[in-house]
Amino acid sequence: LAKTTQPISMDSYEGQEVNITCSHNNIATNDYITWYQQFPSQGPRFIIQGYKTKVTNEVASLFIPADRKSSTLSLPRVSLSDTAVYYCLVGGYSNYQLIWGAGTKLIIKP
Amino acid sequence: DVKVTQSSRYLVKRTGEKVFLECVQDMDHENMFWYRQDPGLGLRLIYFSYDVKMKEKGDIPEGYSVSREKKERFSLILESASTNQTSMYLCASSLSGGGSADTQYFGPGTRLTVL
Repeated sequence: LAKTTQPISMDSYEGQEVNITCSHNNIATNDYITWYQQFPSQGPRFIIQGYKTKVTNEVASLFIPADRKSSTLSLPRVSLSDTAVYYCLVGGYSNYQLIWGAGTKLIIKP
Repeated sequence: DVKVTQSSRYLVKRTGEKVFLECVQDMDHENMFWYRQDPGLGLRLIYFSYDVKMKEKGDIPEGYSVSREKKERFSLILESASTNQTSMYLCASSLSGGGSADTQYFGPGTRLTVL
């Protein structure tokens, strides 16, 4: 089974770009990488999902190299409201094997 | 908007008590999940259900059971609560057929303290 590893914490400043990397060395062929964001006193919510190369939406970008052994969530021009815990999840559409990372606590400073 | 509600935000129980945590979703999702969340450990899957009356064990089912009598409701049961079950419990739901990659919608969580 794939195991996901991500930094425990990071901090940055408003207006900066933040990159959070998740390592998943044993990712299966059919697995996707999904990122969730969690604010205090709330459940996680979906941010972005990808399989390979680059995916971008209105909130973030997700970069996945060709070997797919890692992925990087990129948050452009962060604000104080981006302070949260970010989780990566590896899993496929054909199974219920959920491999969650332990979460990265991101603190944005003014 | 998908809404997942959990019966309590905070719950305090005594060791040995039987505890019921209720979760309801309003989007006709087939799949429902129960997780516990502990600092440094992230989310760990306890049980999930892909249909009414169907259940599958997750990574840490010991000490827990579940019930899904109706599509919209998924209950987590602690038969005899212990102090090591003090944790944040999160319920989630997702559409059918999507497996673990399908978007999950989470409730706000129940913080359970067992004394």
